[in-house]
Amino acid sequence: SQQGEEDPQALSIQEGENATMNCSYKTSINNLQWYRQNSGRGLVHLILIRSNEREKHSGRLRVTLDTSKKSSSLLITASRAADTASYFCATDAGYSTLTFGKGTMLLVSP
Amino acid sequence: GAGVSQSPSNKVTEKGKDVELRCDPISGHTALYWYRQSLGQGLEFLIYFQGNSAPDKSGLPSDRFSAERTGGSVSTLTIQRTQQEDSAVYLCASSFAPSGANVLTFGAGSRLTVL
Repeated sequence: SQQGEEDPQALSIQEGENATMNCSYKTSINNLQWYRQNSGRGLVHLILIRSNEREKHSGRLRVTLDTSKKSSSLLITASRAADTASYFCATDAGYSTLTFGKGTMLLVSP
Repeated sequence: GAGVSQSPSNKVTEKGKDVELRCDPISGHTALYWYRQSLGQGLEFLIYFQGNSAPDKSGLPSDRFSAERTGGSVSTLTIQRTQQEDSAVYLCASSFAPSGANVLTFGAGSRLTVL
């Protein structure tokens, strides 16, 4: 069964705007990761946040984690057309496999 | 190799035929994963290898699906008597995580179409 569920399913914005995607999960986790998938390609790891962390930054990416609400958000600031992709959250509950959500499809228009 | 390599990139087959999908992980990565992604859907876990053994086969949809890994490296996913519902992109990933966080490196996938 899906552990992470992303919201919204699709998001359309203009270049320069910020994009926020949310992920909710059901069980305790060791860490939560975000991946990006360009059309027709494999997934690429973006950022990892551990269960004892609340916020993490990497370039234009900002991830938050609220373990009490079992939720995470991914913020992409100053978006570019090249950010157009699907974004997936993945939870690591310490069982050696990651469980992925269904993803948010982001479209950034020039 | 520099990345995870999967072959074939595209496979079209007729219902009832067997197919083999190959994954060549990053050298030195001990863990290998197979996931399936249907159109517009998330990733469905199939099987996980640690070395040559498969501690978790819980995601294999039916006994028509099998996988093996040899030499702690290359893995083959075999689907026997393919059905139309097997059409999907099959993604392989590898990682090196003896302890701590498990970050996956994915291949580009094998797109399977069953007619």
